[in-house]
Amino acid sequence: DAKTTQPNSMESNEEEPVHLPCNHSTISGTDYIHWYRQLPSQGPEYVIHGLTSNVNNRMASLAIAEDRKSSTLILHRATLRDAAVYYCILRETSYDKVIFGPGTSLSVIP
Amino acid sequence: DAGVIQSPRHEVTEMGQEVTLRCKPISGHDYLFWYRQTMMRGLELLIYFNNNVPIDDSGMPEDRFSAKMPNASFSTLKIQPSEPRDSAVYFCASSPTGGRDTGELFFGEGSRLTVL
Repeated sequence: DAKTTQPNSMESNEEEPVHLPCNHSTISGTDYIHWYRQLPSQGPEYVIHGLTSNVNNRMASLAIAEDRKSSTLILHRATLRDAAVYYCILRETSYDKVIFGPGTSLSVIP
Repeated sequence: DAGVIQSPRHEVTEMGQEVTLRCKPISGHDYLFWYRQTMMRGLELLIYFNNNVPIDDSGMPEDRFSAKMPNASFSTLKIQPSEPRDSAVYFCASSPTGGRDTGELFFGEGSRLTVL
C-alpha cells in the first residue's frame, strides 16, 4: 500500500484558514488522494478526493502538488465543529483495502 | 437513506463470552468493511467484502474473530471467546461500486465493546 505522512497535530484559531499537509512521495499514477475526518465519538466521514487537479466542495478544498507527491486540505474558515482527526489516504481505482494512518488531530481555538 | 446501521451501540461483556456485532450497509453498496479502533493502534482494517464475498481478511487478529455476510444487507463480526484486549470501537463501512474516482466509504456510528 502506498503510504502517507501527516503531522500528528495542528492548531488553528476559529474563523481562520487551516492548511493540513500530507506527503505521499510513493504515489502511483492511478492513486486517488482521499481525505476523511473523524469527529469525536463518531465514525470517519468523507471530506474530499482528487487525482491531479485541485478540487473544491462545500466542506473544503484540496490542493495537489504538480508532481502529486504532496497535497493540502484547506478549510477556509475553521469552526469549532472542525476539530477532528483528519486522515489523508491513497486509493487505487480497484477499490481495494482502505488503510487509515494515524492522521492529524486538529484543534480549533475559540 | 438511513446510512450504515450498526448494533449494538454499546456492549459490555465478560471475558470468555461470545460477542456478535451487526451491520446493515447502505442499500446498493457492493463493498463492506469492518474496522477496529483503539487509542494505541488507531483504525485497523479487519476484513472487507465485495458482493458478499470476503476478499481480504488478513487484518483479522486471530481465529477468535470471524465475519460473515450472508446477504447484501447484513454482516456480522463475531468474537468467541472474547478477551479484555478486544475492547475497542468497531466500525462498519460500506462503499458503492462506481466510476474510477468514486468509492467513498460511508461509516456507521460504531459499536463500543468493553470486555471485562
